[in-house]
Amino acid sequence: GAGVSQSPSNKVTEKGKDVELRCDPISGHTALYWYRQRLGQGLEFLIYFQGNSAPDKSGLPSDRFSAERTGESVSTLTIQRTQQEDSAVYLCASSWTSGSEQYFGPGTRLTVT
Amino acid sequence: AQSVTQPDIHITVSEGASLELRCNYSYGATPYLFWYVQSPGQGLQLLLKYFSGDTLVQGIKGFEAEFKRSQSSFNLRKPSVHWSDAAEYFCAVGVPYSSASKIIFGSGTRLSIRP
Repeated sequence: GAGVSQSPSNKVTEKGKDVELRCDPISGHTALYWYRQRLGQGLEFLIYFQGNSAPDKSGLPSDRFSAERTGESVSTLTIQRTQQEDSAVYLCASSWTSGSEQYFGPGTRLTVT
Repeated sequence: AQSVTQPDIHITVSEGASLELRCNYSYGATPYLFWYVQSPGQGLQLLLKYFSGDTLVQGIKGFEAEFKRSQSSFNLRKPSVHWSDAAEYFCAVGVPYSSASKIIFGSGTRLSIRP
């Protein structure tokens, strides 16, 4: 089947605007992760969904960031009142279950001007 | 909680030379262990994984890694590197079947290849 898909692939927005990023995981994967990767940096964990459990939001950098997941399918990451420091590639990954290998999407490159 | 350390930020090796990238983890039991590669402008690709059993695991592109419990390490090796191996390499650790767990990534090691 298809891999993890993310949309849009690129997003340019003005400072102060809200953006919504979408992730479609692999069908049947119960775990879904969002990461942020700034230019030349490693992966920064943002949020993690596992089945119907409460999400682990411990990585969200501020209350401007939020994410939702509908059941075991699509997830959206919302950034409100974007700032220039939010510019990064946002990566989504899914896995069969917690702790198993992750399959990554191509990412969304967000540029805040 | 688990953690993972990649002590080498940047390594340069000559084409054809052997390679070892270090990874150390912290966790009370045996975790799941992974190596991912991110080539320039590309997404993250799983190279290999360790869940249990044989401590020497083979991956794609000629890579292998050895789990050493006594050293809490999972170092990545390749006997002869190719120019196309230039990339960022990430070690990751996960806790199996725990709804409270998540995959934790190291900060990455950038590999450059000298012609």
